[in-house]
Amino acid sequence: AQSVSQHNHHVILSEAASLELGCNYSYGGTVNLFWYVQYPGQHLQLLLKYFSGDPLVKGIKGFEAEFIKSKFSFNLRKPSVQWSDTAEYFCAVNAGGYNKLIFGAGTRLAVHP
Amino acid sequence: GAVVSQHPSWVICKSGTSVKIECRSLDFQATTMFWYRQFPKQSLMLMATSNEGSKATYEQGVEKDKFLINHASLTLSTLTVTSAHPEDSSFYICSARVRREFGELFFGEGSRLTVL
Repeated sequence: AQSVSQHNHHVILSEAASLELGCNYSYGGTVNLFWYVQYPGQHLQLLLKYFSGDPLVKGIKGFEAEFIKSKFSFNLRKPSVQWSDTAEYFCAVNAGGYNKLIFGAGTRLAVHP
Repeated sequence: GAVVSQHPSWVICKSGTSVKIECRSLDFQATTMFWYRQFPKQSLMLMATSNEGSKATYEQGVEKDKFLINHASLTLSTLTVTSAHPEDSSFYICSARVRREFGELFFGEGSRLTVL
């Protein structure tokens, strides 16, 4: 069965620090990969997605993610975080033509001024 | 992006009553909608896949008689929590897939259910 693993459950950073959130999935075939963000009190929003092509994907608000097929990973990065990046981040996978999205447990990011 | 709207955004009900939550795609037609449940500080758990004009497909462990899903049109899916109990209190989120965008989902604002 497909599964998604996010290694960090809670991350605390100071403003301007660099961010990397890990995401690994278990599926051997073709995958579509997503990172969603949920700001406090708001609904889920898409940060970025990977379907095919360049494995380095750029999303909104300065985020990017790199798909490394050999490592089954899709880590999220941002060079310099801001207080407004405080939110919960979810990695998700749609694999093998299945009609559904499987989410990781989420990483709660707190950025201190 | 596409807009998905849920109603109500929050509801409080007595134990034993039924509650209906609506999910609408406002500016696109959604042949498939998904219902998720999110417990506090946890991830989204897929409950069921709702296909327009056909029966919903439930995930393992989700009681289909308790969580009734209807997808009567291309823009509306409903989730009815029947005979609600306090353990059903949760945040219910619907999402819809835009036909032309394979895999990508757009999410509603969520509906917080509290059962007293």
